[in-house]
Amino acid sequence: SAVISQKPSRDICQRGTSLTIQCQVDSQVTMMFWYRQQPGQSLTLIATANQGSEATYESGFVIDKFPISRPNLTFSTLTVSNMSPEDSSIYLCSVGPEYGYTFGSGTRLTVV
Amino acid sequence: QKEVEQDPGPLSVPEGAIVSLNCTYSNSAFQYFMWYRQYSRKGPELLMYTYSSGNKEDGRFTAQVDKSSKYISLFIRDSQPSDSATYLCAMSATTGFQKLVFGTGTRLLVSP
Repeated sequence: SAVISQKPSRDICQRGTSLTIQCQVDSQVTMMFWYRQQPGQSLTLIATANQGSEATYESGFVIDKFPISRPNLTFSTLTVSNMSPEDSSIYLCSVGPEYGYTFGSGTRLTVV
Repeated sequence: QKEVEQDPGPLSVPEGAIVSLNCTYSNSAFQYFMWYRQYSRKGPELLMYTYSSGNKEDGRFTAQVDKSSKYISLFIRDSQPSDSATYLCAMSATTGFQKLVFGTGTRLLVSP
């Protein structure tokens, strides 16, 4: 299966600031996805990162809040902008459908 | 009603027990079913991937799909303390670039 490196693994940020999360895959993959996992809740898809074009966002998520880049077939970033305590969550990068849908270890974000 | 329902547990069993984890779903278009295991502070790890109805076995794990009842199960034989984790079911309508829909996860505790 693909090996995903996600950075940072955790961070504590001040409200109103932004954090960029990086996702690096050890092989080229077709699709890269960004999920959010809030305590006690299921994983929620934020957006699909498309190589060479704008990301496709799910209902309830907007580009101004969660800008995404995907410059090539092995790398993507998710930025959480103008953070509030409600953004405190685990953010996960996922790739697929090669090797099934594989996840990174996540970024645990706390906004204070 | 959520698209995917999963009992959050916790489910506590002694070592060596057979564990049954279940999900129900409402969308009859789902054809691809996955089970993930998630340890604390880690990303979800793909355990089993099945298509349509039937059983699939991999070592101590058996995945079962009953599309007529919209019900899927994961059985773990000879459970070990190392199996203690949260188990998430996920499903998709196609293998293509459709988003996965996740259950909330069942926390499993296997005591020595």
